Amino acid sequence: VQLQESGPGLVKPSETLSLTCTVSGGSISGYFWGWIRQPPGKGLEWIGYISYTGNIDYSPSLKSRVTISVDMSKNHFSLTWNSVTAADTAVYYCAREGGPGAFDYWGQGILVTVSS
Amino acid sequence: EIVLAQSPGTLSLSPGERATLSCRASQSAGSYLAWYQQKPGQVPRLLIYNTSNTAPGIPARFSGSGSGTDFTLTISSLEPEDFAVYYCVLRSRWPPGLTFGGGTQVEFK
Repeated sequence: VQLQESGPGLVKPSETLSLTCTVSGGSISGYFWGWIRQPPGKGLEWIGYISYTGNIDYSPSLKSRVTISVDMSKNHFSLTWNSVTAADTAVYYCAREGGPGAFDYWGQGILVTVSS
Repeated sequence: EIVLAQSPGTLSLSPGERATLSCRASQSAGSYLAWYQQKPGQVPRLLIYNTSNTAPGIPARFSGSGSGTDFTLTISSLEPEDFAVYYCVLRSRWPPGLTFGGGTQVEFK
């Protein structure tokens, strides 16, 4: 199983960030798929997850600005982040949650910089 | 929202020594506790899941234990490649959600 994030590397403040994670070598079915971010030099932060059935959960501190969706036909899932600020500059990872809390496959990560 | 506190923040040890990393949850939330290793510039790697199950391909020197609110990652004898940052993660049923700890850096003494 391989995951690959795609999206812009640079976003202006107040704009909307859209990232996609394409899954290859396996199906989205049967698993939970998550987004995690890591600001430069800092720790990991869970953003949210979506299941193949469409069940979704978000971090309480982020849920007002985030939407996660899945497209089974394209075997990918997406993250939309509204009104980004400089504090949203981070490496964004997508990952498969093979079991509760067990992210067993990760994308390589995409650095998103929020700057004018 | 459950908060995970990892200690110590930094652990200074030598190869061959035993490393004991702690992860404490702000409330009891089951056993869906996992541990990850992250080296600079690399993707986090799953080490332990469900508190004590070792992920495939992970050396036997890594072990996890704990229950309730207190969990531990033990590296029985540090190898040079084990110097990294370690994160604990808790998936809780109630309140529902997932939380990362702040990380423990294991560095050369």
